Amino acid sequence: AQTVTQSQPEMSVQEAETVTLSCTYDTSESDYYLFWYKQPPSRQMILVIRQEAYKQQNATENRFSVNFQKAAKSFSLKISDSQLGDAAMYFCAYRSVSAGGSYIPTFGRGTSLIVHP
Amino acid sequence: DTAVSQTPKYLVTQMGNDKSIKCEQNLGHDTMYWYKQDSKKFLKIMFSYNNKELIINETVPNRFSPKSPDKAHLNLHINSLELGDSAVYFCASSQTSAGEQFFGPGTRLTVL
Repeated sequence: AQTVTQSQPEMSVQEAETVTLSCTYDTSESDYYLFWYKQPPSRQMILVIRQEAYKQQNATENRFSVNFQKAAKSFSLKISDSQLGDAAMYFCAYRSVSAGGSYIPTFGRGTSLIVHP
Repeated sequence: DTAVSQTPKYLVTQMGNDKSIKCEQNLGHDTMYWYKQDSKKFLKIMFSYNNKELIINETVPNRFSPKSPDKAHLNLHINSLELGDSAVYFCASSQTSAGEQFFGPGTRLTVL
């Protein structure tokens, strides 16, 4: 079974600075998807970024980018120019794409990001 | 238009009651899901359902049952509510069982 580990329960960053949230996972599959979700105090789960394992290029969405290290099974999220609105719980998730695997995502336990003005 | 909606957003009830949470998606997706998020924010899948297959997480008590009147709706019915059922419940949907998931706003259930 796949597992997703977020080793940082909480992270802090000053507004306008850069922060990196770590995520590691364990799988024997070669093809899969990785996700970062943001959950602000409003509770809404918002997809931040998605990475397909067969793509070597790191995904980027505006100020959000990932460092995907497939061999190391690492998928960290970098937030540049942090804003107060980035304060939220961030979840890393893994999902298989193979027919023999489970399509249901496995979520990490989350990292709470605090942004200081 | 809201893609995935849930009602109610808040539900406070007494132990032992039976309650339902409704979920609707207007995305034309084939697959819907229910998740439970506990007080420590841990997100756990409860059900995955499309018109062909219901996948149940075996750790979910049989007091919980999904009911799907049509492809756009997946309601969660809970019998004999217990204190430990207090949590936020999220509905989600995806185009296919392998597709990207879109989440509803969540329903905070409090059992007294």
